[in-house]
Parts: sequence; C-alpha cells; structure tokens
Amino acid sequence: DGGITQSPKYLFRKEGQNVTLSCEQNLNHDAMYWYRQDPGQGLRLIYYSQIVNDFQKGDIAEGYSVSREKKESFPLTVTSAQKNPTAFYLCASARQGRGNEQFFGPGTRLTVL
Amino acid sequence: AQSVTQPDIHITVSEGASLELRCNYSYGATPYLFWYVQSPGQGLQLLLKYFSGDTLVQGIKGFEAEFKRSQSSFNLRKPSVHWSDAAEYFCAVDTGGFKTIFGAGTRLFVKA
Repeated sequence: DGGITQSPKYLFRKEGQNVTLSCEQNLNHDAMYWYRQDPGQGLRLIYYSQIVNDFQKGDIAEGYSVSREKKESFPLTVTSAQKNPTAFYLCASARQGRGNEQFFGPGTRLTVL
Repeated sequence: AQSVTQPDIHITVSEGASLELRCNYSYGATPYLFWYVQSPGQGLQLLLKYFSGDTLVQGIKGFEAEFKRSQSSFNLRKPSVHWSDAAEYFCAVDTGGFKTIFGAGTRLFVKA
C-alpha cells in the first residue's frame, strides 16, 4: 500500500538535546512538508521541499533543520535552539502542481522534559 | 494577505442532526479550497476539494461543501451526523506557491 509513515509515534527528550523525526513516503511525490500543530493554532508550516536536495523555510523554521537527500525521505531535526519544541509534528507529501491534495502521515508527538 | 478563518473553535451537535462548519478565506485569485478531517492523535485526511465549476462539491463520508465567491466562504455540511464524525475539521486554501494555508480548526463533538 502506498502511504506516508512517521516514526516514532511518541518521542521524549531532555531539554537541550537535538532530536530527529523521520518521514518516509512511497507515493512517488515530489513535494514534502513538515508542520507543527499546537492546540487552537491549526497547522503551521516549518519547512517544505519541492525536489531532492532543495528545501525552503516555512513560517516557523527557526530552531529546525531538514534534509532531502532522497525523494522518499524528509527528516526533521528539532535543535536545542527551538525554544518550545513540545508539539505534535505532521509530515505530508503531494504531487507537484497547484491544487493537489496533501497526504499526511500519522504524526509524531514530541515531548521535551 | 491570504488567510483562512474558521469562526467556531468547537461545535456540539446531536447524533442524527445536521451539521454546518463555517470557513471564510481571503485570497485574491480563484481559490483552490480543501476540507480535511483529523481524528485525535492522527494525521489529516482529505474530505473534499474545490477547484472550479459546480459550487457544490461532494466528498467522502457523506460530506459536502458549498463555495460562495460573494461571501468568500466554503462551508462544510452533512445532513445527518454520526457519532464517528466526532473529530477536528480543517479548512485550507492553496496559495499557489507550494504552500497551503490551514484554518485553526473546528472540533466537532457529537452527543447521543
């Protein structure tokens, strides 16, 4: 079955540690996205990538980094510079072109202690 | 600036009653509009989308939405709500620059 996976489902880290969230898709989509979701704030775009080896900052990129070395993979690193990293993180992918729906993974809930 | 507003943070309806979730958008050109649904702790799933043509769009799970350009609205409706419809619903607009703007969401509660 084609789809998008995120791991782990739950992640706990101590303050000051970097952590990497995994996102993999087998839908052959060129575009991939990372969102942060906080209660009452909807989805906020962190980073997006249209093609391999290229990515752009979204609205809240500070304290985050990404890579896109393979079409299928778009990992997100939450660095110690992110002041409030505890949140629900969603990865999505889509075909190129305007108006294409995004397909979402199940999300990773990150808790920083 | 482009934006999406969902005026209702949460709505409670009785099972079997009709439902309407409101969405207003701000976008200069012809919008590409979406409604997504999210169950607790899960990702989002597309319910329906509007690009052009008929202003009434049918989606999955018995949902429909009506695009009204004059009111900049794209309200989601369902004639009869089931307990399994309890979830959070997001309206979204495609801005054309590989970015989609999402509303803050409306949480639907269904009472027996």
